[in-house]
Amino acid sequence: EAGVTQFPSHSVIEKGQTVTLRCDPISGHDNLYWYRRVMGKEIKFLLHFVKESKQDESGMPNNRFLAERTGGTYSTLKVQPAELEDSGVYFCASSRQRHNSPLHFGNGTRLTVT
Amino acid sequence: SQQGEEDPQALSIQEGENATMNCSYKTSINNLQWYRQNSGRGLVHLILIRSNEREKHSGRLRVTLDTSKKSSSLLITASRAADTASYFCATDDDMRFGAGTRLTVKP
Repeated sequence: EAGVTQFPSHSVIEKGQTVTLRCDPISGHDNLYWYRRVMGKEIKFLLHFVKESKQDESGMPNNRFLAERTGGTYSTLKVQPAELEDSGVYFCASSRQRHNSPLHFGNGTRLTVT
Repeated sequence: SQQGEEDPQALSIQEGENATMNCSYKTSINNLQWYRQNSGRGLVHLILIRSNEREKHSGRLRVTLDTSKKSSSLLITASRAADTASYFCATDDDMRFGAGTRLTVKP
């Protein structure tokens, strides 16, 4: 099966600009997660979709971040307007079931805000 | 939050030695999972241990779970340079990770 794909792999934007990250999960995986890792620090949970519904968005830092999952397929994460502290690597992961099911990760989008 | 907390933060060993990493969590769990991250890549699932299991093996990996202490350990035996990576744990109640253990295996 094809893996989780994320686009773009890298993005460099200026403070105040908008960026949209995309994640295509493995087909048939209802659960989709977004995470962010800042260099050397924890992999911070952002949110969890089950199909098109937000199951848990408690990790979203503020209202500059908007995640969507249209039709329960691919997901987008928009940052508007971007701030310097938003820099990091954004990972997407998907799984078939909520429990007893491993997460499959994409290779991430490295976002640099200058 | 159930966030898995890994320790030590960093571990450096010689090829052929064993590496042990630990994970602690806060409340009762269904399952606990271990993942590996190579530099610049996404996390890769290593092993899942259920709450009613105490030990599980997969190749050179051995995972233990002590629910009374709310802790798990990952043992990598006969380490190789290719095992150099960061290792993370998470309970599948909320799939939250810590900062990981950075393992360096010197050839």
